[in-house]
Amino acid sequence: IAGITQAPTSQILAAGRRMTLRCTQDMRHNAMYWYRQDLGLGLRLIHYSNTAGTTGKGEVPDGYSVSRANTDDFPLTLASAVPSQTSVYFCASSDSFQHNSPLHFGNGTRLTVT
Amino acid sequence: AQSVAQPEDQVNVAEGNPLTVKCTYSVSGNPYLFWYVQYPNRGLQFLLKYITGDNLVKGSYGFEAEFNKSQTSFHLKKPSALVSDSALYFCAVDYGQNFVFGPGTRLSVLP
Repeated sequence: IAGITQAPTSQILAAGRRMTLRCTQDMRHNAMYWYRQDLGLGLRLIHYSNTAGTTGKGEVPDGYSVSRANTDDFPLTLASAVPSQTSVYFCASSDSFQHNSPLHFGNGTRLTVT
Repeated sequence: AQSVAQPEDQVNVAEGNPLTVKCTYSVSGNPYLFWYVQYPNRGLQFLLKYITGDNLVKGSYGFEAEFNKSQTSFHLKKPSALVSDSALYFCAVDYGQNFVFGPGTRLSVLP
């Protein structure tokens, strides 16, 4: 089934540790995004990539980094996790060449930083 | 700055009754507006969008939304609610580069 795969599904992480959240899509979408979802705040954009080889900062980029080596993969790295990064993380993609195309989301990674 | 408001944290409606989930926005230029639904432990799913044209937009699962430019609103509606419609609903605006999401409204349809 075409879509977005995120891994792991959930993770408990000690503060100060490094963690990479994986995201892979098989729809050949050009644009990919990372959001975090926190109660009462909706979804906030962390980083995005309009095409392979390029990335940009979203609303809340501090403490996170991304790379886009190819079209399909868009990993999100927390270099040194802090408790405020406890959240549910969603990867999304869109066909940015199609005018105002909707976002397609993965099922999320629930991260707890202790 | 672009922003999206959903004034109700929670909406309760009886099965079979009409439902409305409210959304207002603040964005310069012509907005592109979306509704998404989120079921437990899942990512958001696209319901419908308004780009231009008819102010009443029809989407998935019998949902529709009405764009009102003068009131800067884009309320989600359904004539007859189902228990299976219970979920978290997000309004979003696409201002060209990225999406801005509202905080979400939890819809509970009571049998």
